[in-house]
Amino acid sequence: DAGVIQSPRHEVTEMGQEVTLRCKPISGHDYLFWYRQTMMRGLELLIYFNNNVPIDDSGMPEDRFSAKMPNASFSTLKIQPSEPRDSAVYFCASSLEDTYNEQFFGPGTRLTVL
Amino acid sequence: GIQVEQSPPDLILQEGANSTLRCNFSDSVNNLQWFHQNPWGQLINLFYIPSGTKQNGRLSATTVATERYSLLYISSSQTTDSGVYFCAVELENSGYALNFGKGTSLLVTP
Repeated sequence: DAGVIQSPRHEVTEMGQEVTLRCKPISGHDYLFWYRQTMMRGLELLIYFNNNVPIDDSGMPEDRFSAKMPNASFSTLKIQPSEPRDSAVYFCASSLEDTYNEQFFGPGTRLTVL
Repeated sequence: GIQVEQSPPDLILQEGANSTLRCNFSDSVNNLQWFHQNPWGQLINLFYIPSGTKQNGRLSATTVATERYSLLYISSSQTTDSGVYFCAVELENSGYALNFGKGTSLLVTP
């Protein structure tokens, strides 16, 4: 079975540009999570969805960040405009409530904002 | 808020040695997972273990929920075990987000 798929794997952009990160969860999973990993703050939750509905976005740093889940097999995390402090690895994870919500992570997108 | 503390922060082992990593957490949890972040950055699931003991090959884990700690045992370590080991917990009654510790960075030398 395919795991969580993220694209792109690496993104280098210039300050002020729009960045869109993409995630395909494991088929059948009903929860999707976006996390960010930085040296200073470690791994932290940004937002999560249940059945495509955002449940908790309290970790989204500011209005420049937005996330959508238009269907069960696709989610996007958008940063507009991007800033150098957004440089981090962004992970997507998914889980299934029937299996106690064990979360499985994608390979991550390493974002560098110059 | 929830505190997830891992120890030791860093560990260097010679190949073949055994080690124990610890995770302390400050509140009751629904879920506890151990991950290995390999040198390529990927987070690999090791155990889902909110309580009890599990074993998978050279790795085993024990969680004592009533005392709010979990242990990860690595036996006969190999160089491929190098990386960062994270403990992550999901609080009771606070949604399904995982709260991560800062990790234990493990280096296994030949």
